[in-house]
Amino acid sequence: EAGVAQSPRYKIIEKRQSVAFWCNPISGHATLYWYQQILGQGPKLLIQFQNNGVVDDSQLPKDRFSAERLKGVDSTLKIQPAKLEDSAVYLCATQVEGGPYEQYFGPGTRLTVT
Amino acid sequence: KQEVTQIPAALSVPEGENLVLNCSFTDSAIYNLQWFRQDPGKGLTSLLLIQSSQREQTSGRLNASLDKSSGRSTLYIAASQPGDSATYLCAVRKDDYKLSFGAGTTVTVRA
Repeated sequence: EAGVAQSPRYKIIEKRQSVAFWCNPISGHATLYWYQQILGQGPKLLIQFQNNGVVDDSQLPKDRFSAERLKGVDSTLKIQPAKLEDSAVYLCATQVEGGPYEQYFGPGTRLTVT
Repeated sequence: KQEVTQIPAALSVPEGENLVLNCSFTDSAIYNLQWFRQDPGKGLTSLLLIQSSQREQTSGRLNASLDKSSGRSTLYIAASQPGDSATYLCAVRKDDYKLSFGAGTTVTVRA
């Protein structure tokens, strides 16, 4: 079974530029999460999708971050414009319906904003 | 709001020594608890998942215990090896099924 795929793996941009990250979930996983992990901290949830609908985006900085999940499969997370404090690893995780709600994580995208 | 704490933040042990990693959480009304491993520059790999009704879970050299009433979990790694060097993260899942993570314990096993 293929795992969660993410691209790009690394990205370096200047502040005020825009960037987009892509996630392809494990086949059949209806729930998809985007997390932000700042160095030295645990992952923090940004947004949760159930199929192509948003379940929770309460911690997403909506003035600069946006996310979508087309047709309930692939998802993209965008930052525009980026700030220095957005430097982090962005992790995508997916989850099958029903208990025990175990999440499977992709390799992440390391973003550096200069 | 659920707060998850992992102490110590870093740990260095000689090869062969047993590892004990601690995780505490403030709200004992959890659905389950999951331990992850994270290698530098990589995503998270699930190690063990303990349901709230369970006291422990074992996989190979790994054993995780859960004391829900006191808000604690411990991950034991027997006979540590250099390949066990990584960051270990504890995450708690409440009934909304979302995960709250600790900051992790970074382990170095010296050969």
